[in-house]
Amino acid sequence: EVQLVESGGGLVQPGGSLRLSCAASGFTFSNFWMHWVRQAPGRGLEWVATIKTDGSEKYYVDSVKGRFTISRDNAENSLYLQMNSLSAEDTALYYCARSLLAATSHWGQGTLVTVSS
Amino acid sequence: QSVLTQPPSASGTPGQRVTISCSGSSSNIGSKTIHWYQQLPGTAPKLLIYSNDQRPSGVPDRFSGSKSGTSASLAISGLQSEDEADYYCVTWDDSLNAVVFGGGTKLTVL
Repeated sequence: EVQLVESGGGLVQPGGSLRLSCAASGFTFSNFWMHWVRQAPGRGLEWVATIKTDGSEKYYVDSVKGRFTISRDNAENSLYLQMNSLSAEDTALYYCARSLLAATSHWGQGTLVTVSS
Repeated sequence: QSVLTQPPSASGTPGQRVTISCSGSSSNIGSKTIHWYQQLPGTAPKLLIYSNDQRPSGVPDRFSGSKSGTSASLAISGLQSEDEADYYCVTWDDSLNAVVFGGGTKLTVL
């Protein structure tokens, strides 16, 4: 069974940092592009970042460029999102997703990030 | 302001057919395939339609997708109460080098 389990969310002060993790199982992780998508409370879905199978290509939404870094460890079947210089606008439920734009799409249940003093 | 434009809301009565539109441009819908997600309240999004008009296994044939030029549509026939959810279109944008979502459409079954 395909599983994506996010962790690492929590309450952080403005300007702080967090590292989100996504543990993948039930499929060959290294074969799939992976993504982070977020959803602010009561708002729509917002794509955050994408990473290619081998990590050689990375893409980010403009609002997080220079602050967030997506990475992966294919040996550990894990996806990461390092988030720095956090602001209230980054408060959201963060989803890890496989193959966002394909038939093999699968999402985790999300981890909540709250940025507040 | 989303790159892909969806109506914020839609509604219908049980058994009716409803359509949800998604409008974009030549750099996204006009040159890429469009995908649709359904998000039931309190749950993670689920793929409903991929590659414009394909249904993943397990998705009822009441759901269908189409694309023409720089616009796409999701149609739901035989509307049921359990279809009440938020629906999002999504694709890749060549100009932005980014994944772009529509703003989402909240479907209410009256």
